Amino acid sequence: GAVVSQHPSRVICKSGTSVKIECRSLDFQATTMFWYRQFPKQSLMLMATSNEGSKATYEQGVEKDKFLINHASLTLSTLTVTSAHPEDSSFYICSASSPGFNTYEQYFGPGTRLTVT
Amino acid sequence: GQQLNQSPQSMFIQEGEDVSMNCTSSSIFNTWLWYKQDPGEGPVLLIALYKAGELTSNGRLTAQFGITRKDSFLNISASIPSDVGIYFCAGQRGKTGANNLFFGTGTRLTVIP
Repeated sequence: GAVVSQHPSRVICKSGTSVKIECRSLDFQATTMFWYRQFPKQSLMLMATSNEGSKATYEQGVEKDKFLINHASLTLSTLTVTSAHPEDSSFYICSASSPGFNTYEQYFGPGTRLTVT
Repeated sequence: GQQLNQSPQSMFIQEGEDVSMNCTSSSIFNTWLWYKQDPGEGPVLLIALYKAGELTSNGRLTAQFGITRKDSFLNISASIPSDVGIYFCAGQRGKTGANNLFFGTGTRLTVIP
Protein backbone atom coordinates (compact mmCIF):
# COMPACT_ATOMS: atom_id res chain seq x y z
CA GLY A 1 0.00 0.00 0.00
CA ALA A 2 0.85 3.74 0.05
CA VAL A 3 1.87 4.02 -3.57
CA VAL A 4 2.54 7.35 -5.23
CA SER A 5 2.80 7.70 -8.98
CA GLN A 6 4.02 10.52 -11.17
CA HIS A 7 3.28 11.26 -14.77
CA PRO A 8 5.07 11.66 -17.03
CA SER A 9 8.29 9.95 -15.97
CA ARG A 10 10.27 11.96 -18.52
CA VAL A 11 9.39 15.01 -20.54
CA ILE A 12 11.25 17.18 -23.00
CA CYS A 13 9.87 20.59 -23.82
CA LYS A 14 10.99 23.66 -25.68
CA SER A 15 12.05 26.81 -23.94
CA GLY A 16 9.09 29.12 -23.32
CA THR A 17 6.47 26.41 -23.17
CA SER A 18 4.67 25.09 -20.09
CA VAL A 19 4.64 21.55 -18.81
CA LYS A 20 2.41 19.86 -16.25
CA ILE A 21 3.51 17.08 -13.92
CA GLU A 22 0.98 14.97 -12.07
CA CYS A 23 1.40 13.32 -8.69
CA ARG A 24 -1.19 10.76 -7.61
CA SER A 25 -1.69 8.78 -4.45
CA LEU A 26 -3.03 5.47 -5.72
CA ASP A 27 -4.33 3.75 -2.61
CA PHE A 28 -4.73 6.45 0.02
CA GLN A 29 -5.98 9.97 0.41
CA ALA A 30 -3.17 12.46 0.58
CA THR A 31 -4.11 15.55 2.53
CA THR A 32 -0.61 16.93 2.11
CA MET A 33 1.72 16.67 -0.84
CA PHE A 34 5.22 18.00 -1.20
CA TRP A 35 7.15 18.93 -4.33
CA TYR A 36 10.92 18.60 -4.45
CA ARG A 37 13.50 19.43 -7.09
CA GLN A 38 16.76 17.57 -7.45
CA PHE A 39 19.62 18.71 -9.69
CA PRO A 40 22.20 16.16 -10.85
CA LYS A 41 24.34 14.83 -8.02
CA GLN A 42 22.61 17.06 -5.52
CA SER A 43 20.15 16.60 -2.73
CA LEU A 44 16.39 17.03 -2.79
CA MET A 45 15.28 20.58 -2.20
CA LEU A 46 11.75 21.26 -1.04
CA MET A 47 9.91 23.59 -3.39
CA ALA A 48 6.45 23.75 -1.88
CA THR A 49 3.95 22.12 0.43
CA SER A 50 0.45 21.60 -0.82
CA ASN A 51 -2.62 20.90 1.30
CA GLU A 52 -5.78 19.69 -0.40
CA GLY A 53 -8.13 22.56 -1.12
CA SER A 54 -5.64 25.24 -0.03
CA LYS A 55 -3.03 27.37 -1.70
CA ALA A 56 0.43 25.89 -1.72
CA THR A 57 3.14 27.20 0.60
CA TYR A 58 6.32 27.90 -1.31
CA GLU A 59 9.85 27.78 0.04
CA GLN A 60 11.97 30.89 -0.07
CA GLY A 61 13.38 31.51 -3.52
CA VAL A 62 10.79 29.42 -5.37
CA GLU A 63 8.65 31.54 -7.70
CA LYS A 64 5.01 30.72 -7.16
CA ASP A 65 4.00 32.26 -10.49
CA LYS A 66 6.46 30.06 -12.32
CA PHE A 67 5.76 26.81 -10.49
CA LEU A 68 2.00 26.53 -10.25
CA ILE A 69 0.76 23.91 -7.83
CA ASN A 70 -2.79 22.65 -7.68
CA HIS A 71 -4.03 20.13 -5.12
CA ALA A 72 -7.71 19.99 -5.99
CA SER A 73 -8.42 16.46 -4.81
CA LEU A 74 -7.19 14.09 -2.12
CA THR A 75 -5.43 11.92 -4.68
CA LEU A 76 -3.97 14.38 -7.16
CA SER A 77 -1.58 17.30 -7.09
CA THR A 78 -0.14 18.94 -10.17
CA LEU A 79 2.96 21.04 -10.72
CA THR A 80 3.00 23.24 -13.81
CA VAL A 81 6.28 24.74 -14.87
CA THR A 82 5.35 27.83 -16.84
CA SER A 83 7.52 29.46 -19.49
CA ALA A 84 10.16 26.82 -18.94
CA HIS A 85 13.84 27.63 -19.42
CA PRO A 86 16.84 25.31 -19.68
CA GLU A 87 17.77 26.07 -16.08
CA ASP A 88 14.46 24.51 -15.02
CA SER A 89 15.73 21.16 -16.29
CA SER A 90 15.77 18.93 -13.24
CA PHE A 91 14.34 15.85 -11.54
CA TYR A 92 11.02 16.72 -9.88
CA ILE A 93 9.81 14.43 -7.12
CA CYS A 94 6.58 14.56 -5.16
CA SER A 95 5.73 12.97 -1.85
CA ALA A 96 2.42 12.48 -0.10
CA SER A 97 1.25 12.00 3.45
CA SER A 98 -2.00 11.35 5.23
CA PRO A 99 -3.07 11.76 8.83
CA GLY A 100 -4.68 8.35 8.53
CA PHE A 101 -1.21 6.82 8.57
CA ASN A 102 -0.56 8.01 12.10
CA THR A 103 3.14 7.96 11.31
CA TYR A 104 5.97 10.27 10.33
CA GLU A 105 6.17 8.88 6.83
CA GLN A 106 5.94 10.59 3.50
CA TYR A 107 5.69 8.32 0.45
CA PHE A 108 7.68 9.42 -2.55
CA GLY A 109 6.81 9.17 -6.21
CA PRO A 110 9.30 7.85 -8.76
CA GLY A 111 10.13 11.32 -10.05
CA THR A 112 9.78 13.18 -13.36
CA ARG A 113 12.83 14.16 -15.34
CA LEU A 114 12.24 17.45 -17.12
CA THR A 115 14.55 18.57 -19.92
CA VAL A 116 14.04 22.01 -21.41
CA THR A 117 15.73 22.56 -24.77
CA GLY B 1 16.49 26.19 3.62
CA GLN B 2 17.91 24.14 6.46
CA GLN B 3 21.32 22.67 5.66
CA LEU B 4 22.12 19.14 6.70
CA ASN B 5 25.66 17.99 6.03
CA GLN B 6 26.46 14.37 5.36
CA SER B 7 29.82 12.71 5.36
CA PRO B 8 31.44 11.17 3.59
CA GLN B 9 30.23 12.45 0.22
CA SER B 10 31.14 9.17 -1.43
CA MET B 11 32.49 5.77 -0.46
CA PHE B 12 34.03 2.91 -2.39
CA ILE B 13 34.05 -0.33 -0.42
CA GLN B 14 34.55 -4.02 -0.97
CA GLU B 15 31.60 -6.33 -0.72
CA GLY B 16 31.29 -7.63 2.83
CA GLU B 17 32.71 -4.53 4.48
CA ASP B 18 30.80 -2.43 6.96
CA VAL B 19 29.83 1.16 6.13
CA SER B 20 29.28 4.14 8.36
CA MET B 21 27.96 7.56 7.41
CA ASN B 22 26.71 10.49 9.43
CA CYS B 23 24.64 13.60 9.20
CA THR B 24 24.86 16.84 11.16
CA SER B 25 22.59 19.81 11.41
CA SER B 26 22.90 23.33 12.75
CA SER B 27 19.49 23.06 14.38
CA ILE B 28 17.41 20.52 16.24
CA PHE B 29 15.11 17.99 14.63
CA ASN B 30 12.53 15.83 16.39
CA THR B 31 12.60 13.06 13.83
CA TRP B 32 15.51 11.74 11.79
CA LEU B 33 15.02 9.58 8.73
CA TRP B 34 17.37 7.73 6.42
CA TYR B 35 16.50 7.17 2.75
CA LYS B 36 18.12 5.34 -0.16
CA GLN B 37 17.74 6.60 -3.70
CA ASP B 38 18.54 4.57 -6.78
CA PRO B 39 19.30 6.41 -10.04
CA GLY B 40 16.20 7.89 -11.63
CA GLU B 41 13.97 6.87 -8.74
CA GLY B 42 12.39 8.51 -5.73
CA PRO B 43 13.82 7.99 -2.23
CA VAL B 44 12.81 4.92 -0.26
CA LEU B 45 12.65 5.07 3.51
CA LEU B 46 15.11 2.81 5.36
CA ILE B 47 14.88 3.80 9.01
CA ALA B 48 13.07 6.40 11.11
CA LEU B 49 14.18 7.65 14.54
CA TYR B 50 11.99 9.47 17.03
CA LYS B 51 13.89 9.96 20.26
CA ALA B 52 17.25 11.45 21.13
CA GLY B 53 19.66 8.59 21.80
CA GLU B 54 17.45 6.03 20.05
CA LEU B 55 19.22 3.20 18.26
CA THR B 56 17.16 1.35 15.65
CA SER B 57 17.96 -1.54 13.35
CA ASN B 58 16.41 -2.74 10.11
CA GLY B 59 18.17 -5.90 8.96
CA ARG B 60 21.79 -5.01 8.22
CA LEU B 61 21.10 -1.33 8.82
CA THR B 62 21.47 0.42 12.16
CA ALA B 63 20.86 4.11 12.79
CA GLN B 64 21.09 6.32 15.83
CA PHE B 65 19.45 9.61 16.75
CA GLY B 66 22.11 11.81 18.32
CA ILE B 67 21.61 12.93 21.90
CA THR B 68 21.84 16.60 20.92
CA ARG B 69 19.13 16.08 18.27
CA LYS B 70 21.48 17.67 15.75
CA ASP B 71 23.02 14.54 14.31
CA SER B 72 22.45 10.96 13.27
CA PHE B 73 24.48 8.12 11.86
CA LEU B 74 23.72 5.11 9.67
CA ASN B 75 25.70 1.88 9.63
CA ILE B 76 25.40 -0.86 7.04
CA SER B 77 26.96 -4.17 7.95
CA ALA B 78 28.28 -6.79 5.54
CA SER B 79 27.61 -4.72 2.43
CA ILE B 80 26.31 -6.37 -0.72
CA PRO B 81 26.24 -5.09 -4.33
CA SER B 82 22.59 -4.03 -4.13
CA ASP B 83 23.50 -1.55 -1.38
CA VAL B 84 24.85 0.68 -4.14
CA GLY B 85 23.02 3.98 -4.30
CA ILE B 86 22.78 7.38 -2.68
CA TYR B 87 21.88 7.56 0.99
CA PHE B 88 20.19 10.66 2.34
CA CYS B 89 19.46 11.66 5.87
CA ALA B 90 16.44 13.85 6.46
CA GLY B 91 15.30 15.84 9.45
CA GLN B 92 11.75 16.60 10.37
CA ARG B 93 10.68 19.01 13.05
CA GLY B 94 7.35 17.35 13.81
CA LYS B 95 6.34 13.74 14.24
CA THR B 96 3.80 13.34 11.46
CA GLY B 97 4.11 13.06 7.73
CA ALA B 98 2.68 16.53 7.27
CA ASN B 99 5.90 18.15 8.40
CA ASN B 100 8.52 19.18 5.87
CA LEU B 101 11.58 17.03 5.35
CA PHE B 102 14.98 18.68 5.08
CA PHE B 103 17.42 16.44 3.24
CA GLY B 104 21.12 16.00 3.73
CA THR B 105 23.71 16.37 1.00
CA GLY B 106 23.86 12.63 0.37
CA THR B 107 26.44 9.86 0.53
CA ARG B 108 27.08 7.97 -2.70
CA LEU B 109 27.96 4.34 -1.96
CA THR B 110 29.73 2.07 -4.42
CA VAL B 111 30.21 -1.59 -3.50
CA ILE B 112 32.89 -3.47 -5.37
CA PRO B 113 32.07 -7.17 -5.76
